[in-house]
Amino acid sequence: ELKVEQNPLFLSMQEGKNYTIYCNYSTTSDRLYWYRQDPGKSLESLFVLLSNGAVKQEGRLMASLDTKARLSTLHITAAVHDLSATYFCAVDFGNEKLTFGTGTRLTIIP
Amino acid sequence: DAGVIQSPRHEVTEMGQEVTLRCKPISGHNSLFWYRQTMMRGLELLIYFNNNVPIDDSGMPEDRFSAKMPNASFSTLKIQPSEPRDSAVYFCASSNSYEQYFGPGTRLTVT
Repeated sequence: ELKVEQNPLFLSMQEGKNYTIYCNYSTTSDRLYWYRQDPGKSLESLFVLLSNGAVKQEGRLMASLDTKARLSTLHITAAVHDLSATYFCAVDFGNEKLTFGTGTRLTIIP
Repeated sequence: DAGVIQSPRHEVTEMGQEVTLRCKPISGHNSLFWYRQTMMRGLELLIYFNNNVPIDDSGMPEDRFSAKMPNASFSTLKIQPSEPRDSAVYFCASSNSYEQYFGPGTRLTVT
């Protein structure tokens, strides 16, 4: 079965702190995506990770991919309120079909 | 580029009525996807097309749902008859084989 698991499901953190969201998947893939969704809005692409060891950074967010461990992480550095949103990882197990994780609802507290 | 365009943005209908959702993909993209998002089930892929041809419709919940892509710039998702459990946000996404870009979604409420 093709499964993508994210944890935590909910994350409340203070501004200025660091934290990591984890994304595990069930079988081989080397294409993983991170999306952001604000309440009532669509999904916005954050990162595309296409190979083992891929690391991408944008502002306070950094994503990495370990295909051998079937694990991706989204690291948040010195969180600010604007980062409050739901973050999804999605895995392409083949043929461009994406299987999404459950999402992590991130709330940054001032 | 205007991005993926969906219409309507909101739809409220009564049980038993036919509902048609529309999508215009980004020009030049060769794949189109229909997703449904609910609190209970999260994001689910319903169907996807490649070069206007349906490739995988295994996510379509039942025969009440149908999707078409008559040309490269237009797709429809139809529900007939609609039921309250179809209430959800329906997203269309298009892809250039590298990345999927999502439309704004249609929020469907079936009463």
